[in-house]
Amino acid sequence: AQSVSQHNHHVILSEAASLELGCNYSYGGTVNLFWYVQYPGQHLQLLLKYFSGDPLVKGIKGFEAEFIKSKFSFNLRKPSVQWSDTAEYFCAVNVPNDYKLSFGAGTTVTVRA
Amino acid sequence: DTAVSQTPKYLVTQMGNDKSIKCEQNLGHDTMYWYKQDSKKFLKIMFSYNNKELIINETVPNRFSPKSPDKAHLNLHINSLELGDSAVYFCASSQKPSGGAYGGLEQYFGPGTRLTVT
Repeated sequence: AQSVSQHNHHVILSEAASLELGCNYSYGGTVNLFWYVQYPGQHLQLLLKYFSGDPLVKGIKGFEAEFIKSKFSFNLRKPSVQWSDTAEYFCAVNVPNDYKLSFGAGTTVTVRA
Repeated sequence: DTAVSQTPKYLVTQMGNDKSIKCEQNLGHDTMYWYKQDSKKFLKIMFSYNNKELIINETVPNRFSPKSPDKAHLNLHINSLELGDSAVYFCASSQKPSGGAYGGLEQYFGPGTRLTVT
């Protein structure tokens, strides 16, 4: 079974700082990769996903992620964060044609104004 | 229009009680899921139904019983509630995987039900 590790438990930044959140997975085969965001008190929303093709994926709200197959990684980045990016960020992995989505433990991002 | 809706949003109840949470999706998806998010925000799949058929049944106590009357609804009934059941329960839905070598799927989540057992 695949597992997902998110290295940072809690990240605190100032506005306009750059953000990078680490995500590694353990599965030797092809995977689909996702980043979800959960704003305070809200449900999970999809930020971006990678199935195939260009390993640099652009998502909503200025986020992007890069799939590096050799490192089993799918790190999330944003060049300049805003206060409204304060949220919980979850990396998730899915094996092709499987219904099961495995989530990492999440990273809490706090952006100070 | 809300794509995936859950009721109730908050549920406070005492140990030993039986309660249900309802979920409905209007996305036309074939598959629905229940997740549990604990106090540390960790999300774990509990169940999944595809066209009213149970396809994922993770290791959860048998006090938890999902029911899918049709593919747009997936309810969760919990018997004999315990303190450890306190969590946020999220419903989600998706199409079936897209097939081919990469067969991806995207899950859409409901707003969550915060269950507090006292």
